[in-house]
Amino acid sequence: KAGVTQTPRYLIKTRGQQVTLSCSPISGHRSVSWYQQTPGQGLQFLFEYFSETQRNKGNFPGRFSGRQFSNSRSEMNVSTLELGDSALYLCASSFYLAGDSSYNEQFFGPGTRLTVL
Amino acid sequence: GQQVMQIPQYQHVQEGEDFTTYCNSSTTLSNIQWYKQRPGGHPVFLIQLVKSGEVKKQKRLTFQFGEAKKNSSLHITATQTTDVGTYFCAGSANQAGTALIFGKGTTLSVSS
Repeated sequence: KAGVTQTPRYLIKTRGQQVTLSCSPISGHRSVSWYQQTPGQGLQFLFEYFSETQRNKGNFPGRFSGRQFSNSRSEMNVSTLELGDSALYLCASSFYLAGDSSYNEQFFGPGTRLTVL
Repeated sequence: GQQVMQIPQYQHVQEGEDFTTYCNSSTTLSNIQWYKQRPGGHPVFLIQLVKSGEVKKQKRLTFQFGEAKKNSSLHITATQTTDVGTYFCAGSANQAGTALIFGKGTTLSVSS
């Protein structure tokens, strides 16, 4: 089974620009979560999508948004980039079955390394 | 909001020594998961604990979930150089969904 894939792997942008990152979950997984990883703040939860609906949202400004498509692929968008948005953005997918915690394991993709200049 | 604290931030050991990392949540968790991230890699799931007081073992790794479901620990016996990496605990307080709140991790280095 193919793992979680993320594109692009590396991205360089300048302040004020916007960026879209893509994530393809493992086949059959309907839950997709996004995390931001920085040396100072560690891994921070951005949002989670399940069946095309945002189910949970972390404490990030509205410049960060996402969506999920009917095939479970997900995109996240960051508008008006700031220097502090430089980070590794990780996507994780999960099979998830309500009421059955044995399906909670999250499978992470390799991440997109975003550098904002 | 919910916070997960993890200590120590860094730990260096000689090969063969034991290692423990501790995790504390500000709120009661429905479950806790542990992940390992190798340098340059992405987090990889190790285990999930769900029940109060649960203890699980994976070869040299022992995971515990506290009675109050607010703290957890990972203990590695007789570390090996292959154990290097950052170990994260991640808690879920939300019954619906898989959103995780991660601790900042403990980075383990091992010298032979």
